[in-house]
Amino acid sequence: NAGVTQTPKFQVLKTGQSMTLQCAQDMNHNSMYWYRQDPGMGLRLIYYSASEGTTDKGEVPNGYNVSRLNKREFSLRLESAAPSQTSVYFCASTLYTDTQYFGPGTRLTVL
Amino acid sequence: DAKTTQPPSMDCAEGRAANLPCNHSTISGNEYVYWYRQIHSQGPQYIIHGLKNNETNEMASLIITEDRKSSTLILPHATLRDTAVYYCIVRLPAYSGSARQLTFGSGTQLTVLP
Repeated sequence: NAGVTQTPKFQVLKTGQSMTLQCAQDMNHNSMYWYRQDPGMGLRLIYYSASEGTTDKGEVPNGYNVSRLNKREFSLRLESAAPSQTSVYFCASTLYTDTQYFGPGTRLTVL
Repeated sequence: DAKTTQPPSMDCAEGRAANLPCNHSTISGNEYVYWYRQIHSQGPQYIIHGLKNNETNEMASLIITEDRKSSTLILPHATLRDTAVYYCIVRLPAYSGSARQLTFGSGTQLTVLP
């Protein structure tokens, strides 16, 4: 079991560029989440997907879009990156019990 | 989610038990206590959770007081790799229709000393 995997691990973008962060889990979990964590701060939920085929906004969805491609994969897209989106992005998944399992993170810098 | 209070930092000698307290005096009857940790630069890691009985797994033990207003996470034999920020979260379980976002407070920075 690889658990939750994220790609890429690091990314540098210029303002206005777009990119997609990929997340996959092999635990047959129903729900998946995208969080961001800024230096010295807690996690903030961007989007989540309670089950395959559904997505909902979290606390900070502006500037992002998501796709729940299938039960395993949940991607996060930045259409036009801004310096304010410089952060560490974590993907997480859970089955039913509300215990979330996190990936290793993607460190994104927008210049 | 109920408010939680944790000490900002604690030290523990390697090989000794680390006891991390959490106060949650406003907890409601059906809210669970969850513990996560975040090792520097890594994703948060689930440790353990419980409702009112003490719980133990391969990572830690969770002791919840009888009135449920506080709890203690115990790492029985702390190692250097246990140095991390530990978060206590009190919330309704997902099947209650509660919000699914995990909200981490400031947590306790545990430093295990050699």
